[in-house]
Amino acid sequence: AQSVTQLDSQVPVFEEAPVELRCNYSSSVSVYLFWYVQYPNQGLQLLLKYLSGSTLVESINGFEAEFNKSQTSFHLRKPSVHISDTAEYFCAVSKGNNNDMRFGAGTRLTVKP
Amino acid sequence: DVKVTQSSRYLVKRTGEKVFLECVQDMDHENMFWYRQDPGLGLRLIYFSYDVKMKEKGDIPEGYSVSREKKERFSLILESASTNQTSMYLCASSSYDEQYFGPGTRLTVT
Repeated sequence: AQSVTQLDSQVPVFEEAPVELRCNYSSSVSVYLFWYVQYPNQGLQLLLKYLSGSTLVESINGFEAEFNKSQTSFHLRKPSVHISDTAEYFCAVSKGNNNDMRFGAGTRLTVKP
Repeated sequence: DVKVTQSSRYLVKRTGEKVFLECVQDMDHENMFWYRQDPGLGLRLIYFSYDVKMKEKGDIPEGYSVSREKKERFSLILESASTNQTSMYLCASSSYDEQYFGPGTRLTVT
């Protein structure tokens, strides 16, 4: 079965600094990759996803992630963060039918003024 | 927009009580899921359902059961709540390529 490792449990950064949240996965078959965001006291919202095609995917609020098959990674980046980006971020992997999605333990991003 | 709703945001129950958590989706999705979320552990799948009256165990089904009598509704049942079931419970429904989550129910068992 596939699995996901998020390498950092907490990432504190200052406002307007760049950030990278790291995600590695393991799977013996082709996968779909996702980043979800959870704001305080809310459910998870999809931030971006890789299904096929271009390995660089972007969200509407400036985040991007790159699928790297050789390194089995799907790191999330943003060149300049805002206070409002403070949230918990989850990386997830599935084999495509969504009945077997696996989530990482989460990375808590805290943006400080 | 897909909407997944959960019956309660916060719930406090006593040990040994039977607890029902309800989830409703409005997008005619066939697949629905129940997860629990604990700090440092991420989301762990309890049960999922791929059709009415059909269910499959996830990674941590012990102490839980589910019911899906209608396509839009998926219920999680704690037959006899215990303190180690204190957690955040998240429901999701799924299209072909992503899952949509409800706001969560924070359950405390005392």
